[in-house]
Amino acid sequence: DADVTQTPRNRITKTGKRIMLECSQTKGHDRMYWYRQDPGLGLRLIYYSFDVKDINKGEISDGYSVSRQAQAKFSLSLESAIPNQTALYFCATSDSGDRGPNQPQHFGDGTRLSIL
Amino acid sequence: AQKVTQAQTEISVVEKEDVTLDCVYETRDTTYYLFWYKQPPSGELVFLIRRNSFDEQNEISGRYSWNFQKSTSSFNFTITASQVVDSAVYFCALTGRGAQKLVFGQGTRLTINP
Repeated sequence: DADVTQTPRNRITKTGKRIMLECSQTKGHDRMYWYRQDPGLGLRLIYYSFDVKDINKGEISDGYSVSRQAQAKFSLSLESAIPNQTALYFCATSDSGDRGPNQPQHFGDGTRLSIL
Repeated sequence: AQKVTQAQTEISVVEKEDVTLDCVYETRDTTYYLFWYKQPPSGELVFLIRRNSFDEQNEISGRYSWNFQKSTSSFNFTITASQVVDSAVYFCALTGRGAQKLVFGQGTRLTINP
């Protein structure tokens, strides 16, 4: 089983719909992140959370919201989807523990989202 | 602000050739961390290496090697004797101490032809 699980893996929906992407992890990491990937732009950070009560905006948070329901779960919502939110979305986790700062982030397999 | 530039959008070589992927970064932090990730055609992101700014030792792992040079703000990745399975998009990324906000380059699509 994957350590970082994203659901759904693929989603096609219409403009104006509310969409939630789920991420759960079994790695025991305290830090979680949401990124989107667009061709030619690499990955860009949407939101991140260092703990259950901690939510921070990333580079491109407009049009998105998140919820950190538990240490192992971090969901991303698009309240009213628009076509330019069509992208590949990744959830990632990392550990702030005692192995030194800036431990590598571990990514889920991605959610391919298409907004028509 | 932090920035990572991967100027090579696409590279195509024949199997067994050596290939180097370039990564140039910008940061004002004195302590920072550099990463390389691989994204194969299946889409997942695979962590390859992390390098600290205070450790300029080059690293070799099998056919992979990394050359970190602070003087030129570069962290280049070389694959020796490339194989078809090396075909993927490769991302270089940067973060400052404590923040853990990864800034990614645009990625280099590497195609190894048989």
